[in-house]
Amino acid sequence: ILNVEQSPQSLHVQEGDSTNFTCSFPSSNFYALHWYRWETAKSPEALFVMTLNGDEKKKGRISATLNTKEGYSYLYIKGSQPEDSATYLCAFGGSQGNLIFGKGTKLSVKP
Amino acid sequence: DGGITQSPKYLFRKEGQNVTLSCEQNLNHDAMYWYRQDPGQGLRLIYYSQIVNDFQKGDIAEGYSVSREKKESFPLTVTSAQKNPTAFYLCASSLDFSGYTQDTQYFGPGTRLTVL
Repeated sequence: ILNVEQSPQSLHVQEGDSTNFTCSFPSSNFYALHWYRWETAKSPEALFVMTLNGDEKKKGRISATLNTKEGYSYLYIKGSQPEDSATYLCAFGGSQGNLIFGKGTKLSVKP
Repeated sequence: DGGITQSPKYLFRKEGQNVTLSCEQNLNHDAMYWYRQDPGQGLRLIYYSQIVNDFQKGDIAEGYSVSREKKESFPLTVTSAQKNPTAFYLCASSLDFSGYTQDTQYFGPGTRLTVL
């Protein structure tokens, strides 16, 4: 059974803090790692798709890194803002075909 | 506006009834998916379709059925055989099947189904 783990489960930070969280996935038969942001009462929104070991992607204050050899990806948020409050999902794409989603990290940013 | 619509937003069902959840996309995507979310769990794949008139079971297909007669539509029927149907259901689509192409999935707003 393929397992995708995200940690921590939840995170509370103050506005202006930088934060990061982890997605762990199988290191074999890797195709891609997806990150999504899911705000309350909205649809999950794609952040990044990462395919190569050592990939780094950036969108504004959010960035992500990928290590396919050891099976992990980090998501970083620099200078968190209240509008960053959301659940961040990662999804592993491998030879099994369909994406396997983690349970998410719920981020709350207090003003 | 291009996107994915799901209806209804909230759905209540009596035990023993079948219900159908609607999912429509105007993104001209070939692949469509249905996921289920339960508290404390990740999204779990129910069914997916890579192309019109074709669909495959996901990880938790028992008690569900789908059809894909049109490219833009992928309705999900929750049958009375589904033992615990109360959940949040998300529909998604991608240009091609995400598993092999790394294509991003685009999600609808979801339907919350409650069995009374």
